[in-house]
Amino acid sequence: KAGVTQTPRYLIKTRGQQVTLSCSPISGHRSVSWYQQTPGQGLQFLFEYFSETQRNKGNFPGRFSGRQFSNSRSEMNVSTLELGDSALYLCASAPESSYNEQFFGPGTRLTVL
Amino acid sequence: QQQVKQSPQSLIVQKGGISIINCAYENTAFDYFPWYQQFPGKGPALLIAIRPDVSEKKEGRFTISFNKSAKQFSLHIMDSQPGDSATYFCAASIHSSASKIIFGSGTRLSIRP
Repeated sequence: KAGVTQTPRYLIKTRGQQVTLSCSPISGHRSVSWYQQTPGQGLQFLFEYFSETQRNKGNFPGRFSGRQFSNSRSEMNVSTLELGDSALYLCASAPESSYNEQFFGPGTRLTVL
Repeated sequence: QQQVKQSPQSLIVQKGGISIINCAYENTAFDYFPWYQQFPGKGPALLIAIRPDVSEKKEGRFTISFNKSAKQFSLHIMDSQPGDSATYFCAASIHSSASKIIFGSGTRLSIRP
């Protein structure tokens, strides 16, 4: 089975712009979660989608949003980018039999200038 | 109360030695405690996990020890190898919000040949 894929792998944006990141889960996984990883704050949960519905949400401002499509692929959007949004954004998918077992993609490295 | 505290921040172990990483939590509602391994440029990968109804779980050279009363758990890597050099994250989640994983701050492990 192919793993979780994320595109693009690297992205450079400027302050005030918006960005969309994409994630394709492992085939058959309907749960997709997003995490932000920074040296200062570590790994932080953003949100989780299941069957096109947001099921859990972390403590991030409304500038961070996401959606999931009927094929379980997910996108994450960050509007009005700030310097502090520079991070590795990780997507993870989980099987229905065990939502705890998160399988992570390689991440998208976002740099905001 | 949602935090998971991890120590040490970095660890150097000789090849063949035992690597020990410790974590502590406050929220007694946590009922799933995974450990993730992350190599540079990669997303975290689930290494081993434990539920609070057992005190120890072993998979190959990796062992989780769990102390429910002390709200602490630890990862032991026996016969540590240079290939084990990576960043290790402990984590915790609640079954009802299984995808919302709370991660520790990470331990950068280096195994000296």
